[in-house]
Amino acid sequence: QVQLVQSGAEVREPGSSVKVSCKTSGGTFNSYAIIWVRQAPGQGLEWMGGLIPIFGTPNYAQKFQGRITLSADESTSTAYMELSSLRSEDTALYFCARERYPYKTGDYFDYWGQGTLVTVSS
Amino acid sequence: EIMMTQSPATVSVSPGERATLSCRASQSVSSRLAWYQQKPGQAPSLLIYDASTRATGIPARFSGGGSGTEFTLTITSLQSEDFAVYFCQQYKNWPQTFGQGTKVEIK
Repeated sequence: QVQLVQSGAEVREPGSSVKVSCKTSGGTFNSYAIIWVRQAPGQGLEWMGGLIPIFGTPNYAQKFQGRITLSADESTSTAYMELSSLRSEDTALYFCARERYPYKTGDYFDYWGQGTLVTVSS
Repeated sequence: EIMMTQSPATVSVSPGERATLSCRASQSVSSRLAWYQQKPGQAPSLLIYDASTRATGIPARFSGGGSGTEFTLTITSLQSEDFAVYFCQQYKNWPQTFGQGTKVEIK
């Protein structure tokens, strides 16, 4: 059974950075796209970016270009999302999710992490 | 970027009744449409993919339909565990975009 387990809640000051981890188990890590999605309080789901670890080249939503960095450590089957220059509007629940089919992007998500709450406040 | 619009924002239904949720795409997504259920404090979970195929373990009271730009999710005989928020997602084009969600609440 595939599981995605994310790191715990974070509180950051405006202007700082946060790095969230997503450790996978129960499946092949490096060939499936890991996508990052966020959900502001009471809002919908916003696609942020994705990465297939074996290919190593991330895709980012234009909105986050320059502020987001996705990476992966194949030795620990862990994906990371780092967001910099944080502002109050970045307060949200951040999810990692795995796409359904390996070696490609552009599909639905069959497994999700439990979410990491990031609060940006002075 | 393909825009996804869901309606209504909230629907009030009595247990045992039927709920029908709508999702519209700003351009054709063929049948590349998924539905997710999200309960408070939890991650979304996959219900339907390819517009009408139920994911593993999803009961038959959930059914999806439509193609192109108009889609529906129907939940017959609502159970207590079905009261949640439902999102549609297109995966025809990158990035995969979501609707704003429909909350199914107890009437």
